[in-house]
Amino acid sequence: AQSVTQLDSQVPVFEEAPVELRCNYSSSVSVYLFWYVQYPNQGLQLLLKYLSGSTLVKGINGFEAEFNKSQTSFHLRKPSVHISDTAEYFCAVSTPEGGSQGNLIFGKGTKLSVKP
Amino acid sequence: DARVTQTPRHKVTEMGQEVTMRCQPILGHNTVFWYRQTMMQGLELLAYFRNRAPLDDSGMPKDRFSAEMPDATLATLKIQPSEPRDSAVYFCASGLAGTSGRAWGQFFGPGTRLTVL
Repeated sequence: AQSVTQLDSQVPVFEEAPVELRCNYSSSVSVYLFWYVQYPNQGLQLLLKYLSGSTLVKGINGFEAEFNKSQTSFHLRKPSVHISDTAEYFCAVSTPEGGSQGNLIFGKGTKLSVKP
Repeated sequence: DARVTQTPRHKVTEMGQEVTMRCQPILGHNTVFWYRQTMMQGLELLAYFRNRAPLDDSGMPKDRFSAEMPDATLATLKIQPSEPRDSAVYFCASGLAGTSGRAWGQFFGPGTRLTVL
């Protein structure tokens, strides 16, 4: 069965510093990978997704993620964060086949806290 | 600006009462999901539909929860009777799955914050 592990539940960082939010997945088949962001009291918003092609994916708000098949990772990065990036970030995997077609498996989330 | 809408945004009710949450998916999307989010359990998938047919509702307590799609523009999630442990934020999401069934991403509504006293 597929699963998603977000290694850090909380990441504090100072404004303008770089950040990396880690995500590892387990799957025996090819996957689609996603990062979502949830601002306080809001729903989840799609940041970026990897479906195929280039392993470096660029998303909204200056975020990017790199798909590493050998390490089964899909880490999210931003070179310089802003206060407004404070939110919870969720990594997710979509399975290609089987009864869960179309479903997403979500990680537990990482709370990014950007301090001035 | 297409988006998923959910009503009500907030609901406070007493234990034993029926609760109905509604969702309008993005026009043209063929897959609708219901999630529940709590501090303890995180984001849990309750049920999802493809072309209005239920595909998986294994995450839902069957004795009290029910999910339906009366038509392509409306999805409902009902709890009867409600219990304090049902207090959570309930999200609806919609997406477009291709012929292979793989999801190209899901778009989430703002959620319904349910409090059962």
